[in-house]
Amino acid sequence: DTVLTQSPALAVSLGQRVTISCRASKSVSTYMHWYQQKSGQQPKLLIYSASNLESGVPSRFSGSGSGTDFTLTIDPVEADDIANYYCQQSNELPLTFGSGTKLEIK
Amino acid sequence: EVQLVESGGGLVKPGSSLKLSCVASGFTFSSYGMHWIRQAPKKGLEWIALIYYDSSNKYYADSVKGRFTISRDNSKNTLYLEMNSLRSEDTAMYYCAKSTGITDYWGQGVMVTVSS
Repeated sequence: DTVLTQSPALAVSLGQRVTISCRASKSVSTYMHWYQQKSGQQPKLLIYSASNLESGVPSRFSGSGSGTDFTLTIDPVEADDIANYYCQQSNELPLTFGSGTKLEIK
Repeated sequence: EVQLVESGGGLVKPGSSLKLSCVASGFTFSSYGMHWIRQAPKKGLEWIALIYYDSSNKYYADSVKGRFTISRDNSKNTLYLEMNSLRSEDTAMYYCAKSTGITDYWGQGVMVTVSS
């Protein structure tokens, strides 16, 4: 199985830029996607195939990477962005998710 | 608007069975693969099953293989997850998700609690 590793938490000031990283245990090409999950809600797709912004998602969100190293960037961070962020690979089954990064405000 | 509505969850005892449903609307259900994904309380996301648009292929996570069965009825726009021999570690929120190779829409989830 492809293991995805994320930092558990990040604290950032409103208006600043934050980068959330995800490292895969083997290459997933660009089959990496990012989800936002707010408390009590289902995950919402933000970025698909490493760098494509899902329709309706603010342009403050962007993604990059290929192979094993990926990043999700939020710039600038707004209060509404407080959530857990998960990376997911779809290069192979089983689909796997990172353990999530909790974004907190300083 | 894509909508996925899960139902059928509840509190059950270890060893028992439960069948979840996910009713889809707002898209051509019969054209898309569908997933079940779960999330234990305060934990991360775990993929558990995939079914192709025409039920020709089904795949399962090792953690549920042999105990859970994914199925669908395209005439009813409904996805199912039959869960047998439930264990305490199956306690989770269960989500259905539409697939385009990417799980682009998720339902709101249904809670399953396995406890004596």
